[in-house]
Amino acid sequence: EIVLTQSPGTLSLSPGERATLSCRASQNVGSNYLAWYQQKPGQAPRLLIYGASSRATGIPDRFSGSGSGSDFTLIITRLEPEDFAVYYCQQFGPSPPYTFGQGTRLEI
Amino acid sequence: EVQLVESGGGLVQPGGSLRLSCSAPGFTLSSYSMNWVRQAPGKGLEWVAYISITSGTIYYADSVKGRFTISRDNAENSLYLQMNSLRDEDTAVYYCVRLLQLWASPHYYYGLDVWGQGTTVTVSS
Repeated sequence: EIVLTQSPGTLSLSPGERATLSCRASQNVGSNYLAWYQQKPGQAPRLLIYGASSRATGIPDRFSGSGSGSDFTLIITRLEPEDFAVYYCQQFGPSPPYTFGQGTRLEI
Repeated sequence: EVQLVESGGGLVQPGGSLRLSCSAPGFTLSSYSMNWVRQAPGKGLEWVAYISITSGTIYYADSVKGRFTISRDNAENSLYLQMNSLRDEDTAVYYCVRLLQLWASPHYYYGLDVWGQGTTVTVSS
């Protein structure tokens, strides 16, 4: 099973700042198999990034993803108040389970 | 509007059974592979099960293997999760989720792009 470790656990920033979130896999995932999600309290998660770097439909360009192999990054430039939420990475590697990271809480 | 609607959650005793359903008003569910994902209270996301378009390929998380069964009825545009031998640790919000699967040579790219609102399952005596 591929384990995804996200860091930091909590990130405290202010609107207008830049956020850098990390997701590290226990083995090579392949860049086409890594996705990022945003979840706000009481809501279902929302797909932000697929294929490590492709934005999903309707996602603002202040969200960007990068990485390959086992190290991936989600960057949010110029934080907006609505960006404060929990972020998860997920891998769809060679075989299931399609594990999630434990999440990074982005707080003001 | 593309949406998924889950139903069937509720309170059940340990060892009991429950069947979750998911319908897809607004799109043809039979054109997509589907998943169930759950989230225990105050915890992160856990992928539970996957089913391909034709039901020919099915996968489960180890935590539910042998107890849960994912199925679909493409004629009814519906997805199901039969949960047996329920345990306290199965308490969670269960989401029905569509798999985005895009081909851009030479790879497929994946993501879970449409989520239901979730249905709550509580296992307690």
